[in-house]
Amino acid sequence: DAKTTQPNSMESNEEEPVHLPCNHSTISGTDYIHWYRQLPSQGPEYVIHGLTSNVNNRMASLAIAEDRKSSTLILHRATLRDAAVYYCILNNDMRFGAGTRLTVKP
Amino acid sequence: DTEVTQTPKHLVMGMTNKKSLKCEQHMGHRAMYWYKQKAKKPPELMFVYSYEKLSINESVPSRFSPECPNSSLLNLHLHALQPEDSALYLCASSQVFTGAGGGTEAFFGQGTRLTVV
Repeated sequence: DAKTTQPNSMESNEEEPVHLPCNHSTISGTDYIHWYRQLPSQGPEYVIHGLTSNVNNRMASLAIAEDRKSSTLILHRATLRDAAVYYCILNNDMRFGAGTRLTVKP
Repeated sequence: DTEVTQTPKHLVMGMTNKKSLKCEQHMGHRAMYWYKQKAKKPPELMFVYSYEKLSINESVPSRFSPECPNSSLLNLHLHALQPEDSALYLCASSQVFTGAGGGTEAFFGQGTRLTVV
């Protein structure tokens, strides 16, 4: 079984921030937290990853709890193209949980 | 080149056929993965190869036979499949499977859509 749990679905309005949570309570010290997203009819694509510190890239930000048992993917201004299923996984596991289906409303 | 290339994109096969799916990467990655994905479900890990050796087999039926002939190539041989095996088969690669090098992202191919008739 996957070592991560996420809400099944979330909704956002276009151009508003979105916070996608992930729980990984059994994370080990060497696990990196990775986020991927999958658009319809495509393979998953990398979004961001981190180990302990918060991370930013052009796509998103990743906030990691101090105890590392949870993390939050932040999309600063959601666009219609961000509608996808978002998955967080641990690199030493590579098993996908159910993910969060993000719907973005215009 | 940051691509994982999967061929064919689509495959229709009968239950008595033998076919193979191919996955190729030229990023120097030493970990490669096969996933199976049914509609509206997450990718389901099947196999992990690490340094060309099978590291994980998620109790996959023997009608699926993986092969990693070299560090750039991963095959999935199919034989005597059932209609319920119809799915999108995804290949992925990453620098390494476990350890400190796991701080780099995995790259996924676009998948092979398999239909078993």
